[in-house]
Amino acid sequence: EVQLVESGGGFVQPGGSLRLFCAASGFTFSTYSMNWVRQAPGKGLEWVSYISFRSDTVYYADSVKGRFIISRDNAKNSLYVQMNSLRAEDTAVYYCARNKVYDFDIWGQGTMVTVSS
Amino acid sequence: QSALTQPPSASGSPGQSVTISCTGTSSDVGKYNYVSWYQQHPGKAPKLMIYEVTERPSGVPDRFSGSKSGNTASLTVSGLQAEDEANYYCSSYAGTAWVFGGGTKLTVL
Repeated sequence: EVQLVESGGGFVQPGGSLRLFCAASGFTFSTYSMNWVRQAPGKGLEWVSYISFRSDTVYYADSVKGRFIISRDNAKNSLYVQMNSLRAEDTAVYYCARNKVYDFDIWGQGTMVTVSS
Repeated sequence: QSALTQPPSASGSPGQSVTISCTGTSSDVGKYNYVSWYQQHPGKAPKLMIYEVTERPSGVPDRFSGSKSGNTASLTVSGLQAEDEANYYCSSYAGTAWVFGGGTKLTVL
């Protein structure tokens, strides 16, 4: 079964850091580009970051540029995002999502990040 | 990276058709044929329903169809069923980013 499972979410104070993980299974992870997409409570979806299958291209939303770092380890079938200088507005469910081509065909169940003092 | 514009709500009775619009700009929807649509039920992850404007992934009923004209894309759901009640989001590739619409809550009356 094709599956993505996120973990690493939790509570963090403003200005703090958190690292999210996404474990992939059921497909050849190393041949797909991957993304992080988030959803604030009661709000819509917001694309956060993209990484190509070889990690040679990364993109970030303006809202996280300079604070978040996306990475992957194809040997471990894993996707990561290091989130620094967290703000209250970063509070959201964070999904990892696989690129089919220019769309997101497989999504994880999400992990909740709460930034609050 | 401005969000695409969707109506906040749409509705229809079982068996009817409903169309949801998604308006972007000449930098995203108007430039690329990479518009996709996602269905999200409360508390669940989004599900891909339409990709590359008009294509349906396997397993998605043919009651769902997509189209595009200029800077506006549309999702049409024909023969509405109770299980179609959900939030729907459009998305477009925009060169070095992706943008989503604000979402449309579809209610089956």
